[in-house]
Amino acid sequence: QVQLVQSGAEVKKPGASVKVSCKASGYTFTGYYMHWVRQAPGQGLEWMGWINPNSGGTNYAQKFQGWVTMTRDTSISTAYMELSRLTSDDTAVYYCARAYSGYYVDWGQGTLVTVSS
Amino acid sequence: DIQMTQSPSSLSASVGDRVTITCRASQGISNYLAWFQQKPGKAPKSLIYAASSLQSGVPSKFSGSGSGTDFTLTISSLQPEDFATYYCQQYNSYPLTFGGGTQVEIK
Repeated sequence: QVQLVQSGAEVKKPGASVKVSCKASGYTFTGYYMHWVRQAPGQGLEWMGWINPNSGGTNYAQKFQGWVTMTRDTSISTAYMELSRLTSDDTAVYYCARAYSGYYVDWGQGTLVTVSS
Repeated sequence: DIQMTQSPSSLSASVGDRVTITCRASQGISNYLAWFQQKPGKAPKSLIYAASSLQSGVPSKFSGSGSGTDFTLTISSLQPEDFATYYCQQYNSYPLTFGGGTQVEIK
């Protein structure tokens, strides 16, 4: 069955960077775009962008352009999302989601990133 | 950006009730509309795509309808496991945007 397994919780200081991983299994990794969505505590869902695991091409939400980087390693079927220059506003759960024709089919379990001095 | 407005923001219902949640887009999105269910501390679960198509494994008590700007999610007979927060999302154009959520609580 399809599984998206994300890396564990992180605690970072303001100004630092964080890199979250999403390991895929149960399907052809390069066949589906991977999106990243975040959710601040008690808040709604916010789309960050996607990566095409086949080509490495990306599309970021304008809000995140210049400080998010999405990459992938096809040899281990893993997608990554790196966010730099962290502030307390970036404290959130970060999810990866497998997309098919634009809609999400599967979600990772989420990774809590806490930014605190 | 396309704004997605859900109503109500919360509702109280009893087991067995029929529940309807509305999602309105600020501009036409054809049928590029998805619905998700999220329980506390858990990842969202995909329920419906293309406004009315059920994801694999989702029970038929969930149904979606609409096109253009107005959409609905209906739960035909609410069960204890259905108490959760529900979100709509448009995937017609970037940036993808979500509704603010509807929390379904036990009456």
